[in-house]
Amino acid sequence: GAGVSQSPRYKVAKRGQDVALRCDPISGHVSLFWYQQALGQGPEFLTYFQNEAQLDKSGLPSDRFFAERPEGSVSTLKIQRTQQEDSAVYLCASSARLAGGSDTQYFGPGTRLTVL
Amino acid sequence: AQRVTQPEKLLSVFKGAPVELKCNYSYSGSPELFWYVQYSRQRLQLLLRHISRESIKGFTADLNKGETSFHLKKPFAQEEDSAMYYCAPNVPGDSGGGADGLTFGKGTHLIIQP
Repeated sequence: GAGVSQSPRYKVAKRGQDVALRCDPISGHVSLFWYQQALGQGPEFLTYFQNEAQLDKSGLPSDRFFAERPEGSVSTLKIQRTQQEDSAVYLCASSARLAGGSDTQYFGPGTRLTVL
Repeated sequence: AQRVTQPEKLLSVFKGAPVELKCNYSYSGSPELFWYVQYSRQRLQLLLRHISRESIKGFTADLNKGETSFHLKKPFAQEEDSAMYYCAPNVPGDSGGGADGLTFGKGTHLIIQP
C-alpha cells in the first residue's frame, strides 16, 4: 500500500518568505508527527497530532512554526518569515494507533528546505 | 533533560566482522526503545524495538537498565548493512517534549567494507 508522502520534496525559499509543507499519512493512521532534521543531526521532534487534535507542540522552535491537521488526515507545516537556520529536512511520520510515540512510526521521504 | 548518546559518528568494519553500535540514554522511568535505520536514498524506517524482542536482519539489541544502554549488535556484518542507524527512546507521559514523539540520537554511520 502507499506509504507516507510529502510534498514538495525540495523547497528553496528566500529569507523572509513563508513556506507550507504537506504530509499525507498512511490512510487510517491516527497519529501524525513532524520532525526537523538538520544536516548531520538526528531528527528532532516538532509536534504531534492525534486525529485532528494537536496534542503536543512543545518541539516547535518558535511562533513562526505552525502545524495543522484539520480533518485528521493531511497535515501542513507552515513556517512564516523563514530564516537561514530553518534550513533542514522536515520529516513527517504516522502511526496506526493512539499510542503516541510508543507505536511504530512510518516516515515519509522528507522535504528538504533551503533558505537563502 | 532527556538525552540519547550515540558516541560513534562513524563506524567502519569489514564484512563478516561483528558489529556493535552503542546507545546510552538518560531518563527517569522506563523508556520504550527503538532502533531506526536509513539506507542510502531510502526513508527512515524501524529496524527493531525492544518490546518485541525480535531479531531483524540479524540485529539484536539488549536493554541494560543498570548501564542505561541499548546497544545494537550483529555477529557477522554484511555489505547491505551499510546505513545510518539511530537510537530512539520514547518516554510516555514525559511532558518535556518527548512524550509523544521519539527522541533520536545523532546517529552512527555504519560502513561495511568488502
